[in-house]
This record gives sequence, C-alpha cells and structure tokens, in this order.
Amino acid sequence: KAGVTQTPRYLIKTRGQQVTLSCSPISGHRSVSWYQQTPGQGLQFLFEYFSETQRNKGNFPGRFSGRQFSNSRSEMNVSTLELGDSALYLCASSLISGSQDEQYFGPGTRLTVT
Amino acid sequence: AQSVSQHNHHVILSEAASLELGCNYSYGGTVNLFWYVQYPGQHLQLLLKYFSGDPLVKGIKGFEAEFIKSKFSFNLRKPSVQWSDTAEYFCAVNAGSGNTGKLIFGQGTTLQVKP
Repeated sequence: KAGVTQTPRYLIKTRGQQVTLSCSPISGHRSVSWYQQTPGQGLQFLFEYFSETQRNKGNFPGRFSGRQFSNSRSEMNVSTLELGDSALYLCASSLISGSQDEQYFGPGTRLTVT
Repeated sequence: AQSVSQHNHHVILSEAASLELGCNYSYGGTVNLFWYVQYPGQHLQLLLKYFSGDPLVKGIKGFEAEFIKSKFSFNLRKPSVQWSDTAEYFCAVNAGSGNTGKLIFGQGTTLQVKP
C-alpha cells in the first residue's frame, strides 16, 4: 500500500507570495492532518480535515488555510508568506478522525521563504 | 493549555546501554499517548501507543513505555540500544474527546548511539 505522498517536496518562495501544498493520503484513509515543524517550535498542529470538513484548527493566523476534496486529498495554502513560515510541513493521514487513530506521516514539504 | 514536555533534548549513549526518555503532559482528563520516531532521512513513524489497560505498552524494535497517571508521565525505555536507534523521538498526546486527530507533540529528543 502506498504511503502518504506530499508535493512538492521542496519549495522556495519570496515574502508576500502565496503557496499551495498538496497531500495524498493512504488509500482508504479519510482524515488528513497538517503539522508545521520548525527547529524552534517543534511540531505544531495546523488543522485536520475529515470528509471534506475541517474538524479542528491549531493556533495559526488566518493566512494558513486548507481544504479536503471528495477523494480525501488535501491542500493547504499559505498567503502573504513571511520569513517565519519557513518550515517543514507534514501531512498525516488516518482511517477516521479519532483520538486513538494512528496517524501516518508523509515525507513533508520543505518550504523556504526568502 | 495542553502541553507535552520532553526533558532530554539530546542524549548520547554507547551501544548496549539502557535508554529512558522522559515525557510529561499537562491535561487532567483522558489522554491517548504516542511515541513517534524519525530516523535520519525518513518519515515520522509510530513506535507505540497507549489508550487504556495495562500501563506498560510494548512497541516495535524492542521499545516499551510506561504510563503513570499520577505523574502525568509516559516514559520511553529500551534495555539495550543499538546504533540503528539513532533518531529523533517525539512524545505526543491526543487529549480530545474522541472525534479529533489533533496531536500535541513534545519538542523531541535527539538520540545519538555511538558504536
């Protein structure tokens, strides 16, 4: 079974631009969560989607948004990029949206903002 | 606010030494606990998890963890580490009521095992 895939793997953007990251969950998984990983803040929860609905949102500004499609694929968007948005963005999928579900992580998208 | 604290940021051990990584969380209700590992160049993957029952849980690759409710702790242990255990280890908590996949992670512990 193929794992979680994320595209692109690497991205360089300029301050003020916007970016869209994509995540394809494991086949059959209906929940997708996004996390931001930085050396200073560690792994922080961004949001979670299940059946095209946002179930939960972390403590990030409104510039960070996401969506989920009917095939469970998910995208996250960051508008008006800031230098501090440079990070590894991880996507994780699970069968359903449950507190006991194992989350399977993708390789991440490394975003660099210059 | 809920938080997870990992006390050791960087641990260096020789092969065959015993390992214990500390993890404490702050949440008074029911929690689901996880340890994830990230080997160099690889994805985060689950080592073990605790939901209920026996507070001593066993995971992959010889790892185990003990949940001590009174101490809000979920420490990871391995009796004898190998060079291949060199990785970053993350403790995570899901403190939701059921319908949420939100994980709160600790800062991570980098383990370096010397051959």
